Amino acid sequence: NAGVTQTPKFQVLKTGQSMTLQCAQDMNHEYMSWYRQDPGMGLRLIHYSVGAGITDQGEVPNGYNVSRSTTEDFPLRLLSAAPSQTSVYFCASSSSGTSAYNEQFFGPGTRLTVL
Amino acid sequence: QQQVKQSPQSLIVQKGGIPIINCAYENTAFDYFPWYQQFPGKGPALLIAIRPDVSEKKEGRFTISFNKSAKQFSLHIMDSQPGDSATYFCAASIQGAQKLVFGQGTRLTINP
Repeated sequence: NAGVTQTPKFQVLKTGQSMTLQCAQDMNHEYMSWYRQDPGMGLRLIHYSVGAGITDQGEVPNGYNVSRSTTEDFPLRLLSAAPSQTSVYFCASSSSGTSAYNEQFFGPGTRLTVL
Repeated sequence: QQQVKQSPQSLIVQKGGIPIINCAYENTAFDYFPWYQQFPGKGPALLIAIRPDVSEKKEGRFTISFNKSAKQFSLHIMDSQPGDSATYFCAASIQGAQKLVFGQGTRLTINP
């Protein structure tokens, strides 16, 4: 199993450009989420999904859109990039299963710079 | 507003020492407290987790101590090794492992 994969690894955008960060998992996990990591702030939840067709906002959703058309994929869209969105983005997934306390598996991250 | 506060920001310990990282939370509805380990250029990986019905959990050299009345929990690393050098995050969530709220992170360095 590849686990959680993210593309691209690095990206540089100009202010106002749009792009999609890709996330895929091959573990048949119901739950997927996006976090951003900034120095001194830990990781903050952007959006999450509890299954295909169901998404909801996290702590810092402004400027980002998500959709979940399949169990495997959970792309994150930046509609109009701003310098404040310069960050490292992590996708994570976990199984709901019989226990709600299942481990969240994180991808390797995408480092985004907005000029 | 930081719901989970972590300290210290950075920590340097000699090999064999016992680094201790502390976290405090406000929301008494939190019922799952994991610790994540992150190496440079990698995503966080679950290290150990505890639920508030126990006061301590040990897995190998890693121990979580939990004080429900003080709303604090801490990570202890016994016989620390240079390979333990990483950034450590505490986190908390309500009713499961999803929607984690993370602390600010601690950069741990273990000197040989």
